[in-house]
Amino acid sequence: DTEVTQTPKHLVMGMTNKKSLKCEQHMGHRAMYWYKQKAKKPPELMFVYSYEKLSINESVPSRFSPECPNSSLLNLHLHALQPEDSALYLCASSDPSGRVIYNEQFFGPGTRLTVL
Amino acid sequence: AQSVTQLGSHVSVSEGALVLLRCNYSSSVPPYLFWYVQYPNQGLQLLLKYTSAATLVKGINGFEAEFKKSETSFHLTKPSAHMSDAAEYFCAVSDGSNTGKLIFGQGTTLQVKP
Repeated sequence: DTEVTQTPKHLVMGMTNKKSLKCEQHMGHRAMYWYKQKAKKPPELMFVYSYEKLSINESVPSRFSPECPNSSLLNLHLHALQPEDSALYLCASSDPSGRVIYNEQFFGPGTRLTVL
Repeated sequence: AQSVTQLGSHVSVSEGALVLLRCNYSSSVPPYLFWYVQYPNQGLQLLLKYTSAATLVKGINGFEAEFKKSETSFHLTKPSAHMSDAAEYFCAVSDGSNTGKLIFGQGTTLQVKP
């Protein structure tokens, strides 16, 4: 299985809602990533988990809260978001073992988030 | 620090014509370079990667790229464009750390005209 899955595919939420995005992979990868992507722009890295530990937080506002319950799952908890947070949220995974800098990231299809 | 510059935010070719998407990099260490494609409303898919094994890299869907150290370039080519190649293309370089962090270029939109 060489797939990264993300649910839901689309999400519409109000600024006072709490919601979660889910990402799953079964490739045995031990590094997982959250990105935010605006239209016609490259993905912006938000968080990196390596061996289930948060290794990078790119100064993301606290209204985004990542969680890595196990090596296959990655969640992004959302609370009190702003309209400017509307974007495509992408999850990716890679194998950090060995010569990690060679390893490409495998991306999921993304969750299209709209904040009203 | 590593960086990537993609020349041309929008490239338009006719079906059957050569595709050339340009990518130049800056890296303080031997670079590991990637080309990704993104179709509308989808995630990124790896086309090919350079990891110093060979300077000419062949990827999926008939794409290839040549690493030229003297020109700090990693341009993506395809001999004959198909309508299905219309998409957004991103060049990326690894930041050289053990997190596998990627530095992306700004992207190039490829339009294929019939």
